[in-house]
Amino acid sequence: GQNIDQPTEMTATEGAIVQINCTYQTSGFNGLFWYQQHAGEAPTFLSYNVLDGLEEKGRFSSFLSRSKGYSYLLLKELQMKDSASYLCAVRETGGSYIPTFGRGTSLIVHP
Amino acid sequence: DVKVTQSSRYLVKRTGEKVFLECVQDMDHENMFWYRQDPGLGLRLIYFSYDVKMKEKGDIPEGYSVSREKKERFSLILESASTNQTSMYLCASSREQGAGGDEQYFGPGTRLTVT
Repeated sequence: GQNIDQPTEMTATEGAIVQINCTYQTSGFNGLFWYQQHAGEAPTFLSYNVLDGLEEKGRFSSFLSRSKGYSYLLLKELQMKDSASYLCAVRETGGSYIPTFGRGTSLIVHP
Repeated sequence: DVKVTQSSRYLVKRTGEKVFLECVQDMDHENMFWYRQDPGLGLRLIYFSYDVKMKEKGDIPEGYSVSREKKERFSLILESASTNQTSMYLCASSREQGAGGDEQYFGPGTRLTVT
């Protein structure tokens, strides 16, 4: 089984940088996903990390440390449209290979 | 463009009714999933399927069943709806499991209310 922990809610200012953390405990790690979900909409894929280090995609970056069971999503130059829930999902080795989702972090960006 | 569609955005049913939620994907994906999403609980996996006519229980299968007769279609069935099944239901699909960054593509969701 897995235990995935994310903060419930964060607030930030337009134009700023915010870091959303995700910690996990798993018996065999096989990848971590980040999804974005706007209110009333479907989650959409943001990033995938399986090796340690930073993956950058425009204003969004995702970092992974497998030894620490830790990932973060970094959002730069925040815009109002970044207000959304951010879901961390971890996949284990063996079994079904289906990622387990954390409870999500609701990010509120204010002017 | 990748697409997952669900038959209804909003549905209201009475306790005891049999409810069908339909999901169709046009990406020729092997895997399909049904989740429910509740405030404070996140996304929880009900059932998944990795091939036609194959199904596997997820974390919360009680009170639900599924059907996958064709690759593109995955149905969720509530045999006898109860008020605690009021929730947002999300369907998703992905290509073959365990294949690297095989991200899931989600449908728009069905908000089901059972009265």
